[in-house]
Amino acid sequence: QVQLQESGPGLVKPSQTLSLTCTVSGGSISSGDYYWSWIRQPPGKGLEWIGYIYSSGSTYYNPSLKSRITISIDTSRDQFSLKLSSVTAADTAVYYCARDCSSTRGGHWFDPWGQGTLVTVSS
Amino acid sequence: DIQMTQSPSSLSASVGDRVTITCRASQRISSYLNWYQQKPGRAPKLLIYGASRLQSGVPSRFSGSGSGTDFTLTVSSLQPEDLATYYCQQSYSDPYTFGQGTKLEIK
Repeated sequence: QVQLQESGPGLVKPSQTLSLTCTVSGGSISSGDYYWSWIRQPPGKGLEWIGYIYSSGSTYYNPSLKSRITISIDTSRDQFSLKLSSVTAADTAVYYCARDCSSTRGGHWFDPWGQGTLVTVSS
Repeated sequence: DIQMTQSPSSLSASVGDRVTITCRASQRISSYLNWYQQKPGRAPKLLIYGASRLQSGVPSRFSGSGSGTDFTLTVSSLQPEDLATYYCQQSYSDPYTFGQGTKLEIK
């Protein structure tokens, strides 16, 4: 059974770059027709999809964050990563990684999710 | 971006009640609508995908319906462990977007 685990610093200073890694276990990140997504949730608020990467390296980013985001993949380590630059307090959130599933009938859904990691932006 | 609006924002119901949550899309999204359950302090969990397809392992008291712009999530007989916030999500077009959530409380 595939599991995902986020890792990275829990505190980032304003204007710096947030860096997180998601490690996939129980299966290869290259197997199957999956995308790999990042999603965030500010404290007490709803969910915002950040972007995804395919095992080939192709990406799609949410236009609201596109200028500050880089998502990369390391298939040899079964990991994918998120970098968010020029952070402000508004970027404080729980960051989740998730497998992005799809079917031949169309549609994408997230399953499973990592447990999430809280990143606070503060000096 | 496609806007997803859930109603109600919160509701309180008793064990055994039938509960319905609605989700409306700002444009037609066919059946590309998913439902998630998020318990306090936990990551969201997939319940329903493709508007009506029950994810493996999810209790059969959960069901989804709808297409186009209007969708519903129904819990046929509410259980204490269903205390959670429920989110809908569209995947008809990028960027994927979520509803604002419906907080379900047990009376």
